[in-house]
Amino acid sequence: NAGVTQTPKFRILKIGQSMTLQCTQDMNHNYMYWYRQDPGMGLKLIYYSVGAGITDKGEVPNGYNVSRSTTEDFPLRLELAAPSQTSVYFCASSYAGFPYEQYFGPGTRLTVT
Amino acid sequence: KQEVTQIPAALSVPEGENLVLNCSFTDSAIYNLQWFRQDPGKGLTSLLLIQSSQREQTSGRLNASLDKSSGRSTLYIAASQPGDSATYLCAVRPVETSYDKVIFGPGTSLSVIP
Repeated sequence: NAGVTQTPKFRILKIGQSMTLQCTQDMNHNYMYWYRQDPGMGLKLIYYSVGAGITDKGEVPNGYNVSRSTTEDFPLRLELAAPSQTSVYFCASSYAGFPYEQYFGPGTRLTVT
Repeated sequence: KQEVTQIPAALSVPEGENLVLNCSFTDSAIYNLQWFRQDPGKGLTSLLLIQSSQREQTSGRLNASLDKSSGRSTLYIAASQPGDSATYLCAVRPVETSYDKVIFGPGTSLSVIP
């Protein structure tokens, strides 16, 4: 099992550019999540999905979009990158909600200049 | 609104020392509390998960305690080693939310000096 994988590991974007952060899990988990972590701060939930075809907003969804066409994949789309989106992005998955544990990917470090 | 804080923000200790990391949360209505380790460029590794009905959990040199009524948890690391150097995050799972939610603290950056 590879667990939760994310690509790319690093990316530098110019303001206004778009990109997609990829996330894949091979644990047959139903739930998937996207978090961002700003320096000196805890992780904040951007979007989550409880199954293929179902997505919903978390705490900080503005500027992002997601889709969940398969159980395995949960891409995060940035349409018009802004410097405020400079952060480390973590994808996570779990079999279901509480009490199941969330498993995290290695993260994508994104810089917008 | 549930908030999680961690003190200190950074800690540097000599190898072999026992140490305590602190986590505080504002609302005692939680399902559980979890301690994670974060290494640079890597994801989060779960260390210990304490259910709301439990007082502590142990794994090797790590011991985590939970006092729900006072909104506090501590992570005790015995006989610290340079390999323990990492950022330690605590996170709570609140009971009353509109979605499955985990709220993270900002982390404590630990350096163990050989």
